[in-house]
Amino acid sequence: GESVGLHLPTLSVQEGDNSIINCAYSNSASDYFIWYKQESGKGPQFIIDIRSNMDKRQGQRVTVLLNKTVKHLSLQIAATQPGDSAVYFCAENKFTDKLIFGTGTRLQVFP
Amino acid sequence: DTAVSQTPKYLVTQMGNDKSIKCEQNLGHDTMYWYKQDSKKFLKIMFSYNNKELIINETVPNRFSPKSPDKAHLNLHINSLELGDSAVYFCASSPGTSRETQYFGPGTRLLVL
Repeated sequence: GESVGLHLPTLSVQEGDNSIINCAYSNSASDYFIWYKQESGKGPQFIIDIRSNMDKRQGQRVTVLLNKTVKHLSLQIAATQPGDSAVYFCAENKFTDKLIFGTGTRLQVFP
Repeated sequence: DTAVSQTPKYLVTQMGNDKSIKCEQNLGHDTMYWYKQDSKKFLKIMFSYNNKELIINETVPNRFSPKSPDKAHLNLHINSLELGDSAVYFCASSPGTSRETQYFGPGTRLLVL
């Protein structure tokens, strides 16, 4: 069946290092992907999105990479800061009117 | 100037009761959603409305009834609450379809005792 999953449930990084959060999707028909950040006690917050006609998109300190060949999505955070500590979700949409969320990866930043 | 707001933030109630959660967005978006997030943080769509019309209705018990009085509001009424309804419920909105960025509210934490 269709699914959006994450390789690591928890990722611990040192402040200042780069973080990479991975996501695998199973449906090759998906054409829109989005990353959300959810801090404790808050709603998901949009980080960055990418459409299937692109393989890379950059934002402020974040980069999303899309590899359609292996159906893999990643979120790279440069110079990770304590404020980046949160749960990160990838989500996909495939010509339907609903977003399918992955299970989430917790990012922990330590000094 | 909150974009997507929900009330209440916390809701503690007894099994069997009926309760409502309200959501409002001031972004001028056409589409609104309700999501349920379980204790394992899994987020799942429940309903979606576009210009007051229901467009997504996932396999949700019919005890859950959404209502959209206008495109800026989407409320969720739950009848005969059960223990398994305990979760965080998020409202979201997007300009058009779910193929555009969705903006989430702060969530309503529902605990059924």
